[in-house]
Amino acid sequence: SQTIHQWPATLVQPVGSPLSLECTVEGTSNPNLYWYRQAAGRGLQLLFYSVGIGQISSEVPQNLSASRPQDRQFILSSKKLLLSDSGFYLCAWTKGDLSGNTIYFGEGSWLTVV
Amino acid sequence: AQKVTQAQTEISVVEKEDVTLDCVYETRDTTYYLFWYKQPPSGELVFLIRRNSFDEQNEISGRYSWNFQKSTSSFNFTITASQVVDSAVYFCALLPSNTGKLIFGQGTTLQVKP
Repeated sequence: SQTIHQWPATLVQPVGSPLSLECTVEGTSNPNLYWYRQAAGRGLQLLFYSVGIGQISSEVPQNLSASRPQDRQFILSSKKLLLSDSGFYLCAWTKGDLSGNTIYFGEGSWLTVV
Repeated sequence: AQKVTQAQTEISVVEKEDVTLDCVYETRDTTYYLFWYKQPPSGELVFLIRRNSFDEQNEISGRYSWNFQKSTSSFNFTITASQVVDSAVYFCALLPSNTGKLIFGQGTTLQVKP
């Protein structure tokens, strides 16, 4: 069966510090991968999605970047965090054929920028 | 435009009451997919159901049931005999065909009191 893991689960970082959140998927190959953010207002915003190694699409301009160094690994980064980067970050995956497959989410990472 | 509206921001019921969560969507696609996810206090998004646009059959899973009506662009979710463990934020989402990107509603917070 397929599983998705992301870490760390909780992070408190000072303004201006770097960020690295990691996500891996097991039990499948060539998945589509996603990073979503949920701010205090509860809405879920798609940040990045990837259909393959090195292929990243950004949905909104921001202080964050994403990379996919391996087929089942997706990394969310920032060189210098802002207060507004605080939130709950969710990694997700689906089968990579764009046929309406279910998107499954990881456990989430709580980021507080202080 | 493609959009999901969950007009109910918060709902509070007493245990054993039935409760319906509303979801209205907008899309011009003829092929699309609809989802419901549950977000308990731990934060993880738990997949509940997936429906494609060609399948208007209602579905029942234990105490959960879903009513999909294309004529009104609605995909409502009913919990029968609610329990305290049902307390969570519930998200309805739309997946247009060939995009791979989920569009979420703003979520409905359900509180079930003992």
